[in-house]
Amino acid sequence: EPEVTQTPSHQVTQMGQEVILRCVPISNHLYFYWYRQILGQKVEFLVSFYNNEISEKSEIFDDQFSVERPDGSNFTLKIRSTKLEDSAMYFCASNQRTGTHYGYTFGSGTRLTVV
Amino acid sequence: SQQGEEDPQALSIQEGENATMNCSYKTSINNLQWYRQNSGRGLVHLILIRSNEREKHSGRLRVTLDTSKKSSSLLITASRAADTASYFCATDYVQGAQKLVFGQGTRLTINP
Repeated sequence: EPEVTQTPSHQVTQMGQEVILRCVPISNHLYFYWYRQILGQKVEFLVSFYNNEISEKSEIFDDQFSVERPDGSNFTLKIRSTKLEDSAMYFCASNQRTGTHYGYTFGSGTRLTVV
Repeated sequence: SQQGEEDPQALSIQEGENATMNCSYKTSINNLQWYRQNSGRGLVHLILIRSNEREKHSGRLRVTLDTSKKSSSLLITASRAADTASYFCATDYVQGAQKLVFGQGTRLTINP
């Protein structure tokens, strides 16, 4: 079964540092997403990406965040200057198309710890 | 507004029993999806039910959807220890689309 792959599985970074979280979506999927889950809380939408541009973003996704699909296979989330409150599990997801029929495939996540 | 609120927040049952989790939401949806998350791991898609469907089955899973009450239930029959996980409903709603809104989840524990 095709998978969404995320790397690294765990990253520890110092406050103020930049981090890049990487994802390889399923190859024939067209829509890509980042979600995050702070420990013990619900999964929250960050951003959706289609046709090489952001299609929707949440209030969480401020100027410190950016996404990119640099080479047609990887999908990255960059946090420019990390804060303690950015510590969370970050999930990448993809689906073939939006609408009524399609579930999302999630990666296994990157646990980001900001110290 | 909040979507996808599950209840109960935690459920503990004996192996072999059935587990029922409920989810309520507030706005019109395209579909409602259920996901499982083992502790500290990724989200696994279990089942999707469209807004024009009322019931759906997949193996030991049965999902119902009542759009008039804006609620859904997930039933796991003949539970196993391996079913221990958190279960989330997520709504893919009509306006604004292209994102899932998750509830807080139900933490299910199956006791051997």
